Amino acid sequence: DVKVTQSSRYLVKRTGEKVFLECVQDMDHENMFWYRQDPGLGLRLIYFSYDVKMKEKGDIPEGYSVSREKKERFSLILESASTNQTSMYLCASSFSQGMGTEAFFGQGTRLTVV
Amino acid sequence: GQQVMQIPQYQHVQEGEDFTTYCNSSTTLSNIQWYKQRPGGHPVFLIQLVKSGEVKKQKRLTFQFGEAKKNSSLHITATQTTDVGTYFCAPTDSWGKLQFGAGTQVVVTP
Repeated sequence: DVKVTQSSRYLVKRTGEKVFLECVQDMDHENMFWYRQDPGLGLRLIYFSYDVKMKEKGDIPEGYSVSREKKERFSLILESASTNQTSMYLCASSFSQGMGTEAFFGQGTRLTVV
Repeated sequence: GQQVMQIPQYQHVQEGEDFTTYCNSSTTLSNIQWYKQRPGGHPVFLIQLVKSGEVKKQKRLTFQFGEAKKNSSLHITATQTTDVGTYFCAPTDSWGKLQFGAGTQVVVTP
């Protein structure tokens, strides 16, 4: 079974802190994604990576950065956490094989910034 | 990115009834995927549609891709309580980048 593991299920951080959300996949997938999910807004793409050290901004990259030094690990960084970044964060991965392959999701990290 | 609009945003269904949720795009899509997210869970892949006019069935679920590849639909017959959740459509680009619609939240009344 494909496994996508996010480092924390719940996280509480203070405003201004630098926050790291980690995601690891065990299926040798080329693609990895970070989304945030808020009620009524669906899943909004923050960043997408299609290879090691390669990244592409999604729809809402402001206030976030990412790191992909190894194929299996994709980190989301909140440079200076703010209360409007309180949300559910979901990591996903997939094979690249041209267009459209199934994405597998982690369990999510519910981040609260106080 | 490719933007899709899903309607309705909420769907209350009596158990045993049928319903349809729609996914519309202003641009031609290369392909589209559908996912289901149960309450408290994470999205799980249901299906991928690639060809114009394609229709695929999974038991009580029927997925369709429009002839112009600008819209897609999910039809569920004889709704059951296990169908509760949020259904998302998500087109992909040539790199495999997935962009989700806002989803249709389905509530089933016994």
